[in-house]
Parts: sequence; structure tokens; C-alpha cells
Amino acid sequence: DGGITQSPKYLFRKEGQNVTLSCEQNLNHDAMYWYRQDPGQGLRLIYYSQIVNDFQKGDIAEGYSVSREKKESFPLTVTSAQKNPTAFYLCASLPTANSYEQYFGPGTRLTVT
Amino acid sequence: KQEVTQIPAALSVPEGENLVLNCSFTDSAIYNLQWFRQDPGKGLTSLLLIQSSQREQTSGRLNASLDKSSGRSTLYIAASQPGDSATYLCAVFGTSYGKLTFGQGTILTVHP
Repeated sequence: DGGITQSPKYLFRKEGQNVTLSCEQNLNHDAMYWYRQDPGQGLRLIYYSQIVNDFQKGDIAEGYSVSREKKESFPLTVTSAQKNPTAFYLCASLPTANSYEQYFGPGTRLTVT
Repeated sequence: KQEVTQIPAALSVPEGENLVLNCSFTDSAIYNLQWFRQDPGKGLTSLLLIQSSQREQTSGRLNASLDKSSGRSTLYIAASQPGDSATYLCAVFGTSYGKLTFGQGTILTVHP
């Protein structure tokens, strides 16, 4: 089955700790994206990568970091510098040709106390 | 900068009604527009994707239209059911920015 997996589904951390969210895809898509969603709001773009070993900041990149060492994987690290890290995080991928239809993972809910 | 607006923010209708959700965007330089459904605490499910060269797409009881020149799209849901209750998001993929820009969503409640 092709798709995007995110783990874990729920994540709890203490304030001041860095935490890494996993995102894996087996769709052979070139581009991958990380979004943040807060209650009652739309999605905001954190980082995106259009090719391995390259990534760009989105609209709210401060306090986050990413890597793209493999085509299938795009982990997101929420650092202690992120002021309000509690949110729902969604990963997505996209074929960079033809339809440009974006596919989403199931999301990770991060709670920092 | 692309901005996407969805109206209304929330909608409550009785079962069986036909309804229309609206989406507008400011920059017409887009590859496509997607409509998504999101259930509480879940990821996004793609409902319909309209390429910039297309005017509409249909899937079952759903029909989405696109008027790129005016920067508008509508999602029409026929004969609504309680199972349609969810948040509906529209997003445009811009040629200038190479990324999706989302609206805030419309929360739909269909009551029996």
C-alpha cells in the first residue's frame, strides 16, 4: 500500500526538550512538506523540500529544523526555541510533475507541558 | 502573497439539503485547486482536484468549480448527510511559490 506514515500519533514532551517527528512516504514523490495546524485554523507551512538534500523555509520556520537525506524521509525537529509547540503537525508529499496533487499523512499531535 | 479565504466559517444544515461552500484566492497564477475534508483529530482527505485549465470536477454527490480569472471556487454538496459533517478546506498550488496555500476552512454540521 502506497502512502505517507507519521509516527507517533500522539507525542508528549516537557518544555525545553527537542523532539523529532517522523514522516515517511513510499509514493516516490520528490517534494515533501510540513504543516502546523492550530485549533480552528487552517494549515500553515513550516518547511518544504523539493529534492533530496535541499529544503526551504515556509511561513513559520522559526524554532523548527528539518533534514532530507533520503527521498522517502523528511523528519521535523521541534526545538526548544519554538515558543508555542503544542499543535497538530501534518506531513505531505507531492509529485513535482503532472497533477501537483498533494497527499497527506495522518498527523502527529504534539503536546508540550 | 497568495491569500485564500473560505466563506462561511461554519454552516449547519438539516439532512437532505444541497449546499455550497465558497473559496476565493488572490493570485490566479495557480497549477490547481484542491478541496479537502478533515475529520476531528485526523489528517486531510483529498476530495477533488481541479487543474488550472479545468472548470469543474465531480465525484459522487460532490461538484467543484473553478473560475481562475475571478479567483473563485465553489464546492457543491448534493443531498447532504450527517456523515458529511467535517471541516472542508480549500487550497491552491501556486506557480510562483511552488507550495499549497490553505484557507481557514468551513466547519459543516449536517443534523438528522
